[in-house]
Amino acid sequence: GAVVSQHPSWVICKSGTSVKIECRSLDFQATTMFWYRQFPKQSLMLMATSNEGSKATYEQGVEKDKFLINHASLTLSTLTVTSAHPEDSSFYICSASRDGETQYFGPGTRLLVL
Amino acid sequence: QKEVEQNSGPLSVPEGAIASLNCTYSDRGSQSFFWYRQYSGKSPELIMFIYSNGDKEDGRFTAQLNKASQYVSLLIRDSQPSDSATYLCAVNIRDRGSTLGRLYFGRGTQLTVWP
Repeated sequence: GAVVSQHPSWVICKSGTSVKIECRSLDFQATTMFWYRQFPKQSLMLMATSNEGSKATYEQGVEKDKFLINHASLTLSTLTVTSAHPEDSSFYICSASRDGETQYFGPGTRLLVL
Repeated sequence: QKEVEQNSGPLSVPEGAIASLNCTYSDRGSQSFFWYRQYSGKSPELIMFIYSNGDKEDGRFTAQLNKASQYVSLLIRDSQPSDSATYLCAVNIRDRGSTLGRLYFGRGTQLTVWP
């Protein structure tokens, strides 16, 4: 199988606080993990790509100092939304890949910033 | 510019019919192709991937790839109401000089299968 988990599944926080989202590949080692964001009625938007042990590669327009990504091991990547604001409210989805091509998605994390 | 185009739909078919979902892509360097299903409020789920020209069958699903025409499709036979979802076409492209590919997604086709 290729199971990817995310935690938490949903989070509500106050404006200005930071939120950490974990993404884990449960039954395989993920050489690469990806972070996406999806707003209602829109398609997935890639935020960044991360390889274990190296710095993440961010897509144009994504602030690396606001969205901190750590890929500490072959099974764990974290996304920290720093100083969250209401406009950061979205559905954050990670994916993991063992071959760099086929991506398996986690269940997503709904973030609501009040 | 790397574009992946899908008919946004909605596509509506009766239960038991064949649903045909189409996708075109602009970059001839595309190497692998994926179909994901996304239920409302959920994350995408991988249905099929295809690398070579021709057909690939998996149960009720058949993916068809024509690289010359830059066209990939998904057929769903014996459609069921539980197939009602948004289907995302995704194309993996490796940037020049990079060993890492990234997925470019279409906007998705909304499919409704009515009983």
